[in-house]
Amino acid sequence: GAGVSQSPRYKVTKRGQDVALRCDPISGHVSLYWYRQALGQGPEFLTYFNYEAQQDKSGLPNDRFSAERPEGSISTLTIQRTEQRDSAMYRCASSSDRGNSPLHFGNGTRLTVT
Amino acid sequence: LAKTTQPISMDSYEGQEVNITCSHNNIATNDYITWYQQFPSQGPRFIIQGYKTKVTNEVASLFIPADRKSSTLSLPRVSLSDTAVYYCLVGEGTGGFKTIFGAGTRLFVKA
Repeated sequence: GAGVSQSPRYKVTKRGQDVALRCDPISGHVSLYWYRQALGQGPEFLTYFNYEAQQDKSGLPNDRFSAERPEGSISTLTIQRTEQRDSAMYRCASSSDRGNSPLHFGNGTRLTVT
Repeated sequence: LAKTTQPISMDSYEGQEVNITCSHNNIATNDYITWYQQFPSQGPRFIIQGYKTKVTNEVASLFIPADRKSSTLSLPRVSLSDTAVYYCLVGEGTGGFKTIFGAGTRLFVKA
């Protein structure tokens, strides 16, 4: 595809509901990253994958957060039992290999938990 | 992962050259230095990457001294559209590794 695609663009959910955020990376990109970004702050690392393998999930805030990339392409970030503090912009990025390749970011999903 | 320190904000005027310096005292031998630019409502965008000395592309230049403990992003003749947040990252490349962003430098270009 032309770029990293994230859906939905906006998501409003009630506290306690589960949400699933989708990331469709650039075709052929090996690595996929999830970040969370609060207003006025830099992106906060959550987790990343090489192919389908989750290499590092140390940034996931707690066990309500999980991510998968079962076929090494599309990834889903799931937040269970959402809380208001989960409200943020969630960004996905991909890169072409495990070397010195730039990250290509999507436009993000704005999550609002009411 | 090497920690980076950069100014919180900078102001400039159109047509001026802007230099943003990033400190990374604990940079490791295998680490590269990478800069990203982020406009409001968009994801960060790769600008430039280097290992040592000087790198130049159509957007910016990156100057890295011999000890590699700092780096300077140079934006020639900025315009209003260069108003953005600029992030300095240090790590083993930008792909396939845990990549940490700091708070960045907010550049505001005035007319």
